[in-house]
Amino acid sequence: QVQLQQWGAGLLKPSETLSLTCAVYGGSFSGYYWSWIRQPPGKGLEWIGEINHSGSTNYNPSLKSRVTISVDTSKNQFSLKLSSVTAADTAVYYCARRYCSSTSCPFDWYFDLWGRGTLVTVSS
Amino acid sequence: SYVLTQPPSVSVAPGQTARITCGGNNIGSKSVHWYQQKPGQAPVLVVYDDSDRPSGIPERFSGSNSGNTATLTISRVEAGDEADYYCQVWDSSSDHRVVFGGGTKLTVL
Repeated sequence: QVQLQQWGAGLLKPSETLSLTCAVYGGSFSGYYWSWIRQPPGKGLEWIGEINHSGSTNYNPSLKSRVTISVDTSKNQFSLKLSSVTAADTAVYYCARRYCSSTSCPFDWYFDLWGRGTLVTVSS
Repeated sequence: SYVLTQPPSVSVAPGQTARITCGGNNIGSKSVHWYQQKPGQAPVLVVYDDSDRPSGIPERFSGSNSGNTATLTISRVEAGDEADYYCQVWDSSSDHRVVFGGGTKLTVL
């Protein structure tokens, strides 16, 4: 079964760059979009952006100026970089697979697989 | 961008039925998906495309969507259902693409 394993630095100082990577094991990497989603402590979910195996990306407009998502198809991995972090970027960051059912493709999408999450704390 | 509104909290006694709503402008024209998130864990998809259940999700979880409100219904609520629940839609008309509701904390009394 497909699993997502994620890792990256958990403690950053303001103005540094957040860097996380997510690896896909046990299934197809191509043919899907792979997302990053974050959740500040005690708050809701926020979509950050996504990438497919060809490197095509979509970003949340509110974060677009600071976000870069890249892909390494040779390793079935995708990565997130978020620059100039502040305390407001403190959150659990999740990687996830975007999916659609046979009846809803290609118009409606959801996230059927999630990584376990990485807590990233920004503090001086 | 599109906005989804959920009640912050819902409480229900064990064995009763919990209904969690997700409001949005003409949400009935979109497909709504629901996630369950327990403390310290990643979200888990419990309903997709308004009313379908992924493999392994109990039949007690069901969904509906019409007009301006989508509803996640949990029948015969168990203590293990206590969690946060989020609705989500795909907004292809916006660069925001993915919209989540603010989440509802389900408390089992």
